[in-house]
Amino acid sequence: DIQMTQSPSSLSASVGDRVTITCRASQSISSYLNWYQQKPGKAPKLLIYAASSLQSGVPSRFSGSGSGTDFTLTISSLQPEDFATYYCQQSYSTLPITFGQGTRLEIK
Amino acid sequence: EVQLVESGGVVVQPGGSLRLSCAASGFTFDDYAMHWVRQAPGKGLEWVSLISWDGGSTYYADSVKGRFTISRDNSKNSLYLQMNSLRAEDTALYYCAKDMGDSSGYYFDYWGQGTLVTVSS
Repeated sequence: DIQMTQSPSSLSASVGDRVTITCRASQSISSYLNWYQQKPGKAPKLLIYAASSLQSGVPSRFSGSGSGTDFTLTISSLQPEDFATYYCQQSYSTLPITFGQGTRLEIK
Repeated sequence: EVQLVESGGVVVQPGGSLRLSCAASGFTFDDYAMHWVRQAPGKGLEWVSLISWDGGSTYYADSVKGRFTISRDNSKNSLYLQMNSLRAEDTALYYCAKDMGDSSGYYFDYWGQGTLVTVSS
């Protein structure tokens, strides 16, 4: 199985900050990497697919980059509604589909 | 508008069985693969199972293989998960999720709100 490791596990930041979350795969997954946002009591929401493509309707302050084993999700200027938990997920050809353990983004 | 509505989650005893359902609307259901993803209380996301658009191919996480069966009825726009030999560690919120259906592998562009399965005596 492909293991996905996110860092940090939790993060405190302020409105307006630039934030970066990292996801590392245990083997190369090319650009088959997706990012989700989950708010408490809600279903996950797709933010970024194929490492850097912004899902329709997602604000442009969210961006993704990386390929191979190392990926990043960046929020350019944190808004109050961005405080949530973020998950990466690999969609490389090998099943099972696997997620990172999550990064909880909290208000400082 | 795409909608996925799960149902069937209840409290069940260890060793028991349960069938979850997911009613889909707002898209051409039989064009897309579908998934079940679960989330134990306070924990992260775990992919459970995948079914192809026509039901001809199914895949499972090792943790549920041999105990769970995914199926679909395209005439009813519905997805199912038959869960047998339930264990305490199966306790989770179960999400139905639509596959994006593009060339970037399996990932999820729409999710339901989930149905809670609790396995407890």
